[in-house]
Amino acid sequence: AQKITQTQPGMFVQEKEAVTLDCTYDTSDQSYGLFWYKQPSSGEMIFLIYQGSYDEQNATEGRYSLNFQKARKSANLVISASQLGDSAMYFCAMREGPGGSTLGRLYFGRGTQLTVWP
Amino acid sequence: NAGVTQTPKFQVLKTGQSMTLQCAQDMNHEYMSWYRQDPGMGLRLIHYSVGAGITDQGEVPNGYNVSRSTTEDFPLRLLSAAPSQTSVYFCASSRQGGPGEQYFGPGTRLTVT
Repeated sequence: AQKITQTQPGMFVQEKEAVTLDCTYDTSDQSYGLFWYKQPSSGEMIFLIYQGSYDEQNATEGRYSLNFQKARKSANLVISASQLGDSAMYFCAMREGPGGSTLGRLYFGRGTQLTVWP
Repeated sequence: NAGVTQTPKFQVLKTGQSMTLQCAQDMNHEYMSWYRQDPGMGLRLIHYSVGAGITDQGEVPNGYNVSRSTTEDFPLRLLSAAPSQTSVYFCASSRQGGPGEQYFGPGTRLTVT
């Protein structure tokens, strides 16, 4: 079974609108971490935002926020006020366990291609 | 800081050839990892290391070897390349004591014919 599921292969949003990219995860660990990465067409992987399983508040970083619903095992990325430069592939990822030896391994979803149009 | 560097950027191999993908980081990170990215598959972990001298297998380790003799370097060896190893390879590192966010190199695009 996949540990990270991203059900939206592609999403389209108009500039200045908000968009939500879906991510669900599967783990039996109580302590884990969830990450979102952006991959523009140039290919590099850019870390966007992190949410720990024990964090009570949803994480925010500028225009990015993570809508964390623990009971539903979902960690959706919300991008507010979309910009043309947000067009990219977005990956959700998970670290299982509290850290230590698991810090070197992330499980990634298959990604969502976001296109922002003017 | 250069961050995470990878060489080469592109490589074409014939089936059966061997090669080493180089990865280095200058952030003094304890943890380093290798992933492969195939179309529609996301990134999958090949091998990872929690420190010099310690490595472990990820999801797709077959056909690859790694070693970690220094904190800075984490090379990935393909012993006998196969067309199924055609992929984009990413090296990443993360710091001890952090939440685990990984910082990625620019990637190596490998084609095996």
